[in-house]
Amino acid sequence: KQEVTQIPAALSVPEGENLVLNCSFTDSAIYNLQWFRQDPGKGLTSLLLIQSSQREQTSGRLNASLDKSSGRSTLYIAASQPGDSATYLCAVTSNDYKLSFGAGTTVTVRA
Amino acid sequence: GAVVSQHPSRVICKSGTSVKIECRSLDFQATTMFWYRQFPKQSLMLMATSNEGSKATYEQGVEKDKFLINHASLTLSTLTVTSAHPEDSSFYICSARDPGLAGGPGPDTQYFGPGTRLTVL
Repeated sequence: KQEVTQIPAALSVPEGENLVLNCSFTDSAIYNLQWFRQDPGKGLTSLLLIQSSQREQTSGRLNASLDKSSGRSTLYIAASQPGDSATYLCAVTSNDYKLSFGAGTTVTVRA
Repeated sequence: GAVVSQHPSRVICKSGTSVKIECRSLDFQATTMFWYRQFPKQSLMLMATSNEGSKATYEQGVEKDKFLINHASLTLSTLTVTSAHPEDSSFYICSARDPGLAGGPGPDTQYFGPGTRLTVL
C-alpha cells in the first residue's frame, strides 16, 4: 500500500522567504505526482502535475521536482507572499489511477 | 482545464436521514470517478472508485451499504450516505478521471470537485 509522508507538518515564514515543502512515498511505481493547495474549508486547487517520466515542473513562482527512484518530491515556492498561506497536499497516482494523499503541510506567511 | 461540480456544497441533516451528493463532470466524459472523505485537519482518504455502468469498488474499511454509490452516466456519480450519524460528518470530495484523447498530448488526469460539507446533528 502506498504511504505518502509530508514534512514539515507546519511552516511559518516571513514574507519574501522561499518555501521548501517535502513529500516522500514508499512505492516508486507511480503514474504521476501532484501538488495541491487547499484553503480552510475549501476544495483542492491543482498546482503542478509531474508525470512519472519527468523530473520537474514549473509554474510561475512554483517549482516541483520528482525523484521517483528515491521516492521524493519537493515543492519550492519562491518569494512567498501572505496569499500563499494554505495547506499544501502532495498526492501520488498509482498505476490503477488511485490517488494517495499526504497529510499536508500548513503554511503561514507572515506579512 | 476540465470542471467538476458537486451538489450540494453544504448540507446539515438530522441523525437517521439519508443524504445524496452529486458529482458531475461538466465538459468531459468520465468513465471513472472517485470519492474521498476528509476529517478536520486530516488528509483525504479514498473511499471508493465508481465506474460507469458497474458496481463501485470500495476501499477496505468503508461500508458499502452505508455509502451507496451510483455511476449512472458518463458525467454523473452520486454518493448516498444512508442513515447518517454524527460520526459521518465530514468533507466529501469527488474526482473525475479524464483519460485524455487516445494518442493526444493530454495526460490522464483527475479533476476534483469543490467538496460537500456534511454535518449530521
